[in-house]
Amino acid sequence: EDQVTQSPEALRLQEGESSSLNCSYTVSGLRGLFWYRQDPGKGPEFLFTLYSAGEEKEKERLKATLTKKESFLHITAPKPEDSATYLCAVPAGNQFYFGTGTSLTVIP
Amino acid sequence: ETGVTQSPTHLIKTRGQQVTLRCSSQSGHNTVSWYQQALGQGPQFIFQYYREEENGRGNFPPRFSGLQFPNYSSELNVNALELDDSALYLCASSFSPLGDSPLHFGNGTRLTVT
Repeated sequence: EDQVTQSPEALRLQEGESSSLNCSYTVSGLRGLFWYRQDPGKGPEFLFTLYSAGEEKEKERLKATLTKKESFLHITAPKPEDSATYLCAVPAGNQFYFGTGTSLTVIP
Repeated sequence: ETGVTQSPTHLIKTRGQQVTLRCSSQSGHNTVSWYQQALGQGPQFIFQYYREEENGRGNFPPRFSGLQFPNYSSELNVNALELDDSALYLCASSFSPLGDSPLHFGNGTRLTVT
């Protein structure tokens, strides 16, 4: 069964303290791995798509990487405005399977 | 570029009632998908609409139904509401029905069933 698992469920960081979020997947024939950011009361906002192992994408303090079985979202020197839930998703057919997300809190 | 808009933002219904949620897709997008997000969970696929027809359904019963209109806007209808239907309902549009382009989400409709 296609599955997406994210860890940790929650992460608290001091401002400037770098860390990584993990997304592991078991879908066969990966056609892309998608990262989203979701703020409370809002819909998910698209961040990155990664298509092949070894690929990296960057946006401000975020960098996403992809291996054959998992993806990492690295957050470098985070700021309080980076606090949000980060979701990863993989397509299978015409639907996306989402993980349950990592809730990130960055403390000033 | 106009993003995805959903209405209403909040809704309170009683068990057994029916509800209709509405979505306007992002300009240039021809595919609309609906997802249900329970508190603390990731979005779960309800169904997708492409060319005004249902084009795939997740593990949701037939009392969940939808429509897509010629302008690519969409409706989600839920009949015989149950308490477990309380959730955030997200509409997402995309360039393609094939899962090869990112979903662009609206801010959702928060449905509470009492």
